[in-house]
Amino acid sequence: SQTIHQWPATLVQPVGSPLSLECTVEGTSNPNLYWYRQAAGRGLQLLFYSVGIGQISSEVPQNLSASRPQDRQFILSSKKLLLSDSGFYLCAWSLDSGVNGYTFGSGTRLTVV
Amino acid sequence: SQQGEEDPQALSIQEGENATMNCSYKTSINNLQWYRQNSGRGLVHLILIRSNEREKHSGRLRVTLDTSKKSSSLLITASRAADTASYFCATDGNNQGGKLIFGQGTELSVKP
Repeated sequence: SQTIHQWPATLVQPVGSPLSLECTVEGTSNPNLYWYRQAAGRGLQLLFYSVGIGQISSEVPQNLSASRPQDRQFILSSKKLLLSDSGFYLCAWSLDSGVNGYTFGSGTRLTVV
Repeated sequence: SQQGEEDPQALSIQEGENATMNCSYKTSINNLQWYRQNSGRGLVHLILIRSNEREKHSGRLRVTLDTSKKSSSLLITASRAADTASYFCATDGNNQGGKLIFGQGTELSVKP
């Protein structure tokens, strides 16, 4: 069956420290992969999406970057975290460009202190 | 940029009542989707309605789409306390390359 793993569930990091969040997908091939961020009580903002290995599109300028080293692996990174990077980060995958909906991971709550 | 905007932002009802949430969007779409999010969790896909459809049902969920008004509604009938969650609409627009744009969500509270 198809599933998506995202970890860690919560993370507290000091300002200026690096970040690496990992998302892996099982049970499907060549998925589209997405990173969203959700501020408290708000909707989701699309950060990055990828249609294939090494193919990353950035939606908004920011302090973050993404990489897709393998077909089913999507990584969100930062070299130096800012306070404004705090939020709830969600990874999602889809087939057929999302025509049939997205499947989301359980999310990572990042607090930058 | 935001595409879908939900209304109301928050809704509190008694168990057994119906809950109606609305979504408006700005540009033409291929489809509109509704998702549910329990507090602190990921989103779960509920239902998708295509631009050439006007109404769709799934269990206690009923979704309508009016492309002339660029709006959609999600109706949950006979609500239960377990329906308490945030509900988001998301649009797959014609020029969005398959990317979903989410609204701000409606926070539904169903009191037992």
